[in-house]
Amino acid sequence: AQSVTQLDSQVPVFEEAPVELRCNYSSSVSVYLFWYVQYPNQGLQLLLKYLSGSTLVESINGFEAEFNKSQTSFHLRKPSVHISDTAEYFCAGGYNKLIFGAGTRLAVHP
Amino acid sequence: DTGVSQDPRHKITKRGQNVTFRCDPISEHNRLYWYRQTLGQGPEFLTYFQNEAQLEKSRLLSDRFSAERPKGSFSTLEIQRTEQGDSAMYLCASSLAASGELAETQYFGPGTRLLVL
Repeated sequence: AQSVTQLDSQVPVFEEAPVELRCNYSSSVSVYLFWYVQYPNQGLQLLLKYLSGSTLVESINGFEAEFNKSQTSFHLRKPSVHISDTAEYFCAGGYNKLIFGAGTRLAVHP
Repeated sequence: DTGVSQDPRHKITKRGQNVTFRCDPISEHNRLYWYRQTLGQGPEFLTYFQNEAQLEKSRLLSDRFSAERPKGSFSTLEIQRTEQGDSAMYLCASSLAASGELAETQYFGPGTRLLVL
């Protein structure tokens, strides 16, 4: 069965600390992978995506994710988080229809 | 702003009533998707259209659910005889799929939150 698993439902972290949000996908999921972010009371916004080519992809606000085929992972990282990064983050995979993980709530504390 | 819009943003209804939601995609996007998101879960795919053709429906979409995109622009999602288990956020997304491209990016609307009493 196709599945995307986000290993942590909540990640608390202090401001300016590094963070990693983990995502694993089943091998039956298309290797088109996405991270979406949902800020409070807002819709889902695309953060970054992996379609092909370089396995390291970056977003404009300092997040990066690395596609690892052998470990079927697509973990999201940021070296130094801000209070404004507090949100729910969703990993997803697929070509047409997207298969989403359950989400990871990132809470950045001062 | 020309993003994806959804109407209404909130809907409260009584069990057994019918409800209809509307989604207006980004202009010129040829694909339109519906997802459902329940509390604590990620969005789950319901159905999608390419222009006016409904190309795929999830098994989650029971006979009480119907979606249309009559002119290949806006779409409606109707739920008949609502049940308490239908309470969820209904998300719409649109994308521009071009031949020869890899997976397209889906842009999501703010969602319609449905509460069935």
